[in-house]
Amino acid sequence: GENVEQHPSTLSVQEGDSAVIKCTYSDSASNYFPWYKQELGKGPQLIIDIRSNVGEKKDQRIAVTLNKTAKHFSLHITETQPEDSAVYFCAASIRNSGYSTLTFGKGTMLLVSP
Amino acid sequence: DTGVSQDPRHKITKRGQNVTFRCDPISEHNRLYWYRQTLGQGPEFLTYFQNEAQLEKSRLLSDRFSAERPKGSFSTLEIQRTEQGDSAMYLCASRQGVINNEKLFFGSGTQLSVL
Repeated sequence: GENVEQHPSTLSVQEGDSAVIKCTYSDSASNYFPWYKQELGKGPQLIIDIRSNVGEKKDQRIAVTLNKTAKHFSLHITETQPEDSAVYFCAASIRNSGYSTLTFGKGTMLLVSP
Repeated sequence: DTGVSQDPRHKITKRGQNVTFRCDPISEHNRLYWYRQTLGQGPEFLTYFQNEAQLEKSRLLSDRFSAERPKGSFSTLEIQRTEQGDSAMYLCASRQGVINNEKLFFGSGTQLSVL
């Protein structure tokens, strides 16, 4: 089955700096790559996603890039703010028979210091 | 749209007891998923419903686990004879059954502690 590796496991930055989280996936059939933010005591919240026919997608301060050949994708957060502090998860899915299930990475704890 | 709702938020039980969790998906979403998340890990897929039909189950779903979605709306997840290894956050998620719309929305989860 699909395997998603995520790194780093923890990331500390100063407010205003950029943060980059990287993921690799194993199954070349994967074609959907969402990123989730999880705050303490809450469920994961979808923040951005990308499909395999797109190389980059931006939404205000966050962006995701995808390299299908290398089978890796990255989350970029610019101008980080303390409220960006959370655990971030990447995921990948394989569409099969009209439905799909997500395989998640182990998460990156991002700490943004004021 | 009130989002995915899960109840209870927390459950403490003794080993060997049965527990049941409820999930109410976003109203227009016909696809419902259960995931399990342990500390320091990402969510792991358990099972999936399209309307009332349970279409896929993970090997993580032992025979002590059963999930239902009787009318294609809310879903329940029951764990029989709980074990300490069942302690985890149980997450429910839902999405629309539209091709090329993969966006999955999660609830806040039920945190299970088995003593």
